[in-house]
Amino acid sequence: SAVISQKPSRDICQRGTSLTIQCQVDSQVTMMFWYRQQPGQSLTLIATANQGSEATYESGFVIDKFPISRPNLTFSTLTVSNMSPEDSSIYLCSSTGAGGPGETQYFGPGTRLLVL
Amino acid sequence: SQQGEEDPQALSIQEGENATMNCSYKTSINNLQWYRQNSGRGLVHLILIRSNEREKHSGRLRVTLDTSKKSSSLLITASRAADTASYFCATDKGGLVFGQGTRLTINP
Repeated sequence: SAVISQKPSRDICQRGTSLTIQCQVDSQVTMMFWYRQQPGQSLTLIATANQGSEATYESGFVIDKFPISRPNLTFSTLTVSNMSPEDSSIYLCSSTGAGGPGETQYFGPGTRLLVL
Repeated sequence: SQQGEEDPQALSIQEGENATMNCSYKTSINNLQWYRQNSGRGLVHLILIRSNEREKHSGRLRVTLDTSKKSSSLLITASRAADTASYFCATDKGGLVFGQGTRLTINP
């Protein structure tokens, strides 16, 4: 299994600003993922954070809007850039832990973002 | 984009009854996972079922998988008020592709 923490847990931001969300895993992991959950909706995969290379983004998400860093095997950040009210969502990171691809994915508690 | 559909979208039952939620997906899978989310909080992993498995149990939970029909179901037996939550299925393509979710309400 994997224990995942995120910071901040919530934030209220002004439009046009940026927020960086941190995700920490309690063990070295190969794969980390970022998801968005808009109000009342299901989760949507934003990108896969790859250690030592560029993140892989899903359709509809771009690096300029959601830059991701993965400096080591336990940590990743997601930045929500030039925010608008439509970015108000819960942002969650996940990892398969030591299990690797195709195994159970564990989620952090999420970062609740409100953009005014 | 969402991989599939879940039905029903909302389900309300009395405590002690069984709850069944269904999930359909579109592409071939390696595994399918079920999660619970309480009121906008983090996701709790319930069960992972692999493509070569047909049924799996965990306590009061039973998950079935029919790859020929590209569908899965989650059965919660003897429901409790604490089971009130949203339930999501997700298929694994590296990252997870989630269904729309079923909002389950257990009435005391």
